[in-house]
Amino acid sequence: DTGVSQDPRHKITKRGQNVTFRCDPISEHNRLYWYRQTLGQGPEFLTYFQNEAQLEKSRLLSDRFSAERPKGSFSTLEIQRTEQGDSAMYLCASSISGQVGEQFFGPGTRLTVL
Amino acid sequence: AQKITQTQPGMFVQEKEAVTLDCTYDTSDPSYGLFWYKQPSSGEMIFLIYQGSYDQQNATEGRYSLNFQKARKSANLVISASQLGDSAMYFCAMREGTGNQFYFGTGTSLTVIP
Repeated sequence: DTGVSQDPRHKITKRGQNVTFRCDPISEHNRLYWYRQTLGQGPEFLTYFQNEAQLEKSRLLSDRFSAERPKGSFSTLEIQRTEQGDSAMYLCASSISGQVGEQFFGPGTRLTVL
Repeated sequence: AQKITQTQPGMFVQEKEAVTLDCTYDTSDPSYGLFWYKQPSSGEMIFLIYQGSYDQQNATEGRYSLNFQKARKSANLVISASQLGDSAMYFCAMREGTGNQFYFGTGTSLTVIP
């Protein structure tokens, strides 16, 4: 399978704990995006990487959130001191520079904070 | 102001009929891209169709077409010959200029009735 993969698919945690999600983009894609989607809403942009550089970050993103893409391949999204409001689906997408901008999405990680 | 507005929370269509899903957008950037994605109950976002702001023709991809009315800032998705497998959430999205943020609407839930 050469699509975008995300791990884990589901995560249940207690308030105050830290969680980390992983995204493996399509291998030749140099662009990687993280989104958050809550029930009844569309995906909300969180951050964007081109290769290993984090080039954009949403102003809505709390400082409890951090993302990395150390070697320009997979990426991790960490949420520290989770809150109940962090419960959502976290989506990763990838694309190639120079194309019209079509993004290929992964299946998402559903986070539930108790 | 919302960048993308989808005013139809839910739509029903008879199998084999055509359906139009509405999308209006707001931007002052003369260069932008408009996208439609499908999200089945499995959760994965599937790219359907793209329209660039400078494209003269309406985009078409198989049974999907985009009714692009620039002056009205609308980018409605038309699905012809609906199939049961078309039942899903549909999201309209926009990317402005050379930016990397994608703005999504709140989505329309489409149900195809046999």
